Amino acid sequence: SQQGEEDPQALSIQEGENATMNCSYKTSINNLQWYRQNSGRGLVHLILIRSNEREKHSGRLRVTLDTSKKSSSLLITASRAADTASYFCATDARGATNKLIFGTGTLLAVQP
Amino acid sequence: DAGVIQSPRHEVTEMGQEVTLRCKPISGHNSLFWYRQTMMRGLELLIYFNNNVPIDDSGMPEDRFSAKMPNASFSTLKIQPSEPRDSAVYFCASKSTGSTGELFFGEGSRLTVL
Repeated sequence: SQQGEEDPQALSIQEGENATMNCSYKTSINNLQWYRQNSGRGLVHLILIRSNEREKHSGRLRVTLDTSKKSSSLLITASRAADTASYFCATDARGATNKLIFGTGTLLAVQP
Repeated sequence: DAGVIQSPRHEVTEMGQEVTLRCKPISGHNSLFWYRQTMMRGLELLIYFNNNVPIDDSGMPEDRFSAKMPNASFSTLKIQPSEPRDSAVYFCASKSTGSTGELFFGEGSRLTVL
């Protein structure tokens, strides 16, 4: 079964607005990653947050991690049409650090 | 670096035929992963290798699927015989074992079994 589940499944916003996606997972982790997938393409790594970190920033991306709730959120600020893509969280379970399991994904559409 | 290279990008075949998907990982990466993506099941980890050795193949759906990594620069995923339910996009990804965990994905092989 999949480790993570994203919420919402789909999100449509206007350019310039912020987009927030959530991820929940089931077991203890070493770190949590977020990936982006443009239609018909492979996944691209965005950001990694370790289990002992609570928040991390990278450009317009902000990731939070709450290990007590087994959840993470990805915030994209000042969205652009080019941010339109699917976004996935991925976790590696403790004791299986090489086994990266992906969530169900959030399809983000940014309207120009 | 050229990134992870997969071939073919698209494959259409008939049920019962053998399918071989190929992957060249990024040079210097010693972990290689095969994933399958479908609308119904999302991204599933099929198998992964460390230093050319299969470590976990618990995601391989059944005996019709097999994967090999004869050397550090090449891996294959074979389906024999293929069935319509095998239709999916198959991704190969690689990483350096010493890295923090970021996977580098290929562009995928879209398989359609008629």
